[in-house]
Amino acid sequence: GAGVSQSPSNKVTEKGKDVELRCDPISGHTALYWYRQSLGQGLEFLIYFQGNSAPDKSGLPSDRFSAERTGGSVSTLTIQRTQQEDSAVYLCASQGLDPGETQYFGPGTRLLVL
Amino acid sequence: EDQVTQSPEALRLQEGESSSLNCSYTVSGLRGLFWYRQDPGKGPEFLFTLYSAGEEKEKERLKATLTKKESFLHITAPKPEDSATYLCAVQADRGSTLGRLYFGRGTQLTVWP
Repeated sequence: GAGVSQSPSNKVTEKGKDVELRCDPISGHTALYWYRQSLGQGLEFLIYFQGNSAPDKSGLPSDRFSAERTGGSVSTLTIQRTQQEDSAVYLCASQGLDPGETQYFGPGTRLLVL
Repeated sequence: EDQVTQSPEALRLQEGESSSLNCSYTVSGLRGLFWYRQDPGKGPEFLFTLYSAGEEKEKERLKATLTKKESFLHITAPKPEDSATYLCAVQADRGSTLGRLYFGRGTQLTVWP
């Protein structure tokens, strides 16, 4: 596709359950970022993938959060044992090789933990 | 610590009433400053990138400017379809995660007819 896609669009889950969020970046983009947008807050960096390098996980809020990127393309963000404070919009962005290039965002996954 | 502050938090304008949004930033070294527009229920949509003080970019009714401490997004004769949240983000040229964006909380703009 022409842009970044994310699935699901919306996810409602019960506290304690695990969830998986998916991101398909723009074809050819080597960098992929995950951000979280909580109500009334700015976008918060979570994790960064660049090519085949080890990911930068410095923004992950706890060890319940993990992410992987298979084949340098699709990425999955996993949240284990979800908590109510995990409720937010999870946004994925992809970027070309140069760190100064524009990041293009997907539509986001809206996660609600009951 | 790298920080971005946007003001005002919310702005209501009548159609045709020009105004400016502010983004002030502190960053160890600026690689770029980005403006995005976000509509409800959607992801941020890229508008502009500014790299150095004095730089200006325009797109339709929007014009972005940059100084060493802040950026302005000027909206000339806005229309209702300009209503959205405008996000400012900076990218540092040093640090452990090159490329990550530091975002402000945004300015929610409403333009009424």
